[in-house]
Amino acid sequence: KQEVTQIPAALSVPEGENLVLNCSFTDSAIYNLQWFRQDPGKGLTSLLLIQSSQREQTSGRLNASLDKSSGRSTLYIAASQPGDSATYLCAVRKGGATNKLIFGTGTLLAVQP
Amino acid sequence: SAVISQKPSRDICQRGTSLTIQCQVDSQVTMMFWYRQQPGQSLTLIATANQGSEATYESGFVIDKFPISRPNLTFSTLTVSNMSPEDSSIYLCSVAGTSRDTEAFFGQGTRLTVV
Repeated sequence: KQEVTQIPAALSVPEGENLVLNCSFTDSAIYNLQWFRQDPGKGLTSLLLIQSSQREQTSGRLNASLDKSSGRSTLYIAASQPGDSATYLCAVRKGGATNKLIFGTGTLLAVQP
Repeated sequence: SAVISQKPSRDICQRGTSLTIQCQVDSQVTMMFWYRQQPGQSLTLIATANQGSEATYESGFVIDKFPISRPNLTFSTLTVSNMSPEDSSIYLCSVAGTSRDTEAFFGQGTRLTVV
């Protein structure tokens, strides 16, 4: 059974710092991995999608990497801003007949001004 | 990317009643999903909404409690039936293409409180 874990569960950093969020998964048979942002009480905003054949994806200040063999992904946020404060979720699309996402436990990020 | 509208955005309901949540997409999509996010938890898939046929439910979720409709490729509803306080959650609609390479998109969610 696929399990997805995110470390740390919560993180507080001063504005301007670079930071790394971690995501690990137990079954390497995935099709892709997606990072999302969720503001309190809201839906999910897709940040980055990495296919299983890719090593990384970049969008603005965000960079996501994927090491499928070791079951790990990282989300790097450069020059953090207070507006980056949110919960960050990773999700893997599992193999097999279904096309569903298995979500991680999330990292609550607070960027202090 | 797909634009997903979910209604209502929030509601407070009495126990024992039912609430129907609507999900409208701005383009035809093959795959539609319904997720639940309980307070302080991550997302759990309730079911896959299949157009023209019965939804496919995940373990622990049943049709009597969470009936789902999918009349066409742009619209779906999720009903939370005979609600109890334990049903208080955020319910989210999601869409994706059939290819396993595709990106998933989510609606803004429905925040349900059962009193």
